[in-house]
Amino acid sequence: SQQGEEDPQALSIQEGENATMNCSYKTSINNLQWYRQNSGRGLVHLILIRSNEREKHSGRLRVTLDTSKKSSSLLITASRAADTASYFCAALNTNAGKSTFGDGTTLTVKP
Amino acid sequence: EPEVTQTPSHQVTQMGQEVILRCVPISNHLYFYWYRQILGQKVEFLVSFYNNEISEKSEIFDDQFSVERPDGSNFTLKIRSTKLEDSAMYFCASSGQGRGNTIYFGEGSWLTVV
Repeated sequence: SQQGEEDPQALSIQEGENATMNCSYKTSINNLQWYRQNSGRGLVHLILIRSNEREKHSGRLRVTLDTSKKSSSLLITASRAADTASYFCAALNTNAGKSTFGDGTTLTVKP
Repeated sequence: EPEVTQTPSHQVTQMGQEVILRCVPISNHLYFYWYRQILGQKVEFLVSFYNNEISEKSEIFDDQFSVERPDGSNFTLKIRSTKLEDSAMYFCASSGQGRGNTIYFGEGSWLTVV
């Protein structure tokens, strides 16, 4: 299996519900970043959490990081139809200076 | 807000032809990257560039690929002899001082090799 794996692979919810996506990684990291990608578009940076942080909030987004379990979660509260997109975590490897992406979670929010 | 810009947004090329994808990173950034995403697959790291040299590259980044920062503002990815399997979205990215900073991505260049 590869660094930066997300689960679930696909998530379908109703507008207003919360969406939780999880990510696991394998090596030590300096930070972990979450991105959103609308179909055929670029990667939009959502939030960065550093290895010495456990939780971070940004608007309706909440990210947690558990370095002992090498995992992170992204929670989107009060989801909207416009949140429909693929979400990727990217684990920044300290030594390599590169981010390794997971397969992503495809989120569908039904109005 | 500053952004990474890429050109072209879409290019169709014949197999065996050379392609140059161009990027203008965020102006005060020091680290530059190329990633690619084959349709329906994950985003894959190609190469990182710092202080005018490659700092890291993946196994995908073989001899047919090269990068250059020709003039202090542009960052280019050249594919010397394209193959069908090079068809993908290519993303340029940049980050600021220190490896722990946010990596910002461009909108991508969609390359189709026929």
